[in-house]
Amino acid sequence: GEDVEQSLFLSVREGDSSVINCTYTDSSSTYLYWYKQEPGAGLQLLTYIFSNMDMKQDQRLTVLLNKKDKHLSLRIADTQTGDSAIYFCAETDYGQNFVFGPGTRLSVLP
Amino acid sequence: DTAVSQTPKYLVTQMGNDKSIKCEQNLGHDTMYWYKQDSKKFLKIMFSYNNKELIINETVPNRFSPKSPDKAHLNLHINSLELGDSAVYFCASSQVIGGPGNTIYFGEGSWLTVV
Repeated sequence: GEDVEQSLFLSVREGDSSVINCTYTDSSSTYLYWYKQEPGAGLQLLTYIFSNMDMKQDQRLTVLLNKKDKHLSLRIADTQTGDSAIYFCAETDYGQNFVFGPGTRLSVLP
Repeated sequence: DTAVSQTPKYLVTQMGNDKSIKCEQNLGHDTMYWYKQDSKKFLKIMFSYNNKELIINETVPNRFSPKSPDKAHLNLHINSLELGDSAVYFCASSQVIGGPGNTIYFGEGSWLTVV
């Protein structure tokens, strides 16, 4: 079956850039997503990218997609303490079946 | 207006009890889901309904029974609760199958603790 993998932990200093990586196995993925979960809260959609794109930028967020290697990354510029959260990578084929990674716990150090 | 709302947010109950978690979405989506997030924060799909019909039913004990009275509601009933059922349960919904820009939206979660 489809699988999505991510590193479980990442620590960065405030003001630095964070890069969270994700790999997936489903070659029929059409959309790939990044969700953010703050403590005690639900998952909030941050951004998504269509599989025929290789980059999407939204303010401090940059998503890079390497479809050949099935690799997705999320770059957060000027990381702030409020960015500390769990970041989930997810993919879907045609919107029925969503597969989530295990989540990367981002810690931002002062 | 909350897009996907679920109640209760917190639930503490004794082993052996039966409990329900309710979910409603006002996004007009056709597909609704229940996910379980364990203590390590891993998300696992439990059920998926499309227009009130069960589509995905992962390996879940039959003590868990979803019910979808209409496409805007998907409730989760759990019989004979066990300690291992303690987790956060997320309801979610997404747009019509195959449509462009499909995105899954989550509720705030229901924290279930079985004592």
